[in-house]
Amino acid sequence: NAGVTQTPKFRILKIGQSMTLQCTQDMNHNYMYWYRQDPGMGLKLIYYSVGAGITDKGEVPNGYNVSRSTTEDFPLRLELAAPSQTSVYFCASSPTLRGRDTQYFGPGTRLTVL
Amino acid sequence: LAKTTQPISMDSYEGQEVNITCSHNNIATNDYITWYQQFPSQGPRFIIQGYKTKVTNEVASLFIPADRKSSTLSLPRVSLSDTAVYYCLVGGGNNDMRFGAGTRLTV
Repeated sequence: NAGVTQTPKFRILKIGQSMTLQCTQDMNHNYMYWYRQDPGMGLKLIYYSVGAGITDKGEVPNGYNVSRSTTEDFPLRLELAAPSQTSVYFCASSPTLRGRDTQYFGPGTRLTVL
Repeated sequence: LAKTTQPISMDSYEGQEVNITCSHNNIATNDYITWYQQFPSQGPRFIIQGYKTKVTNEVASLFIPADRKSSTLSLPRVSLSDTAVYYCLVGGGNNDMRFGAGTRLTV
């Protein structure tokens, strides 16, 4: 099993550009999450999904969109990139509720918006 | 939403036991306590989870007193490779857990 994979590893965007961060898991987990981590800080939940077709906002959803058409994939979309979105983005998955079960994290995508 | 409080940083030497305490005064009845470890440039990795009393696995032990308002992660005989940030999370649902700044352990 590859676990949780994320692409790309690094990306530089100009203000106003758009991009999609890809996340795929091969563990057949129902629950998937997107977090962002600013330097020296903990992770903040952006969006999560409890299954294909079902998504909901987390703590910091503004400026982002998600979709979940399959169990395996959970892409994160940035429509109009802003410098405040410079961060490291982590995708995670868990078999059941994240409070009751292990979350498995991907390696992260380091995004810089200039 | 259960708020957690941890020390910002701790230092230790190789071979010592390290105990990191997390306070969570308003923990709810159905909340679990989970600890993650994060190395630089990597995603967090699950260490241990518990509900009450003591839990032990091959990596660490988790001590939870009867009132559950705090918990202590114990790392036996740390090595240089244990240098990382350790996060304490409390929760039981999808949107009610938050990562704090964590405890930066330097061995």
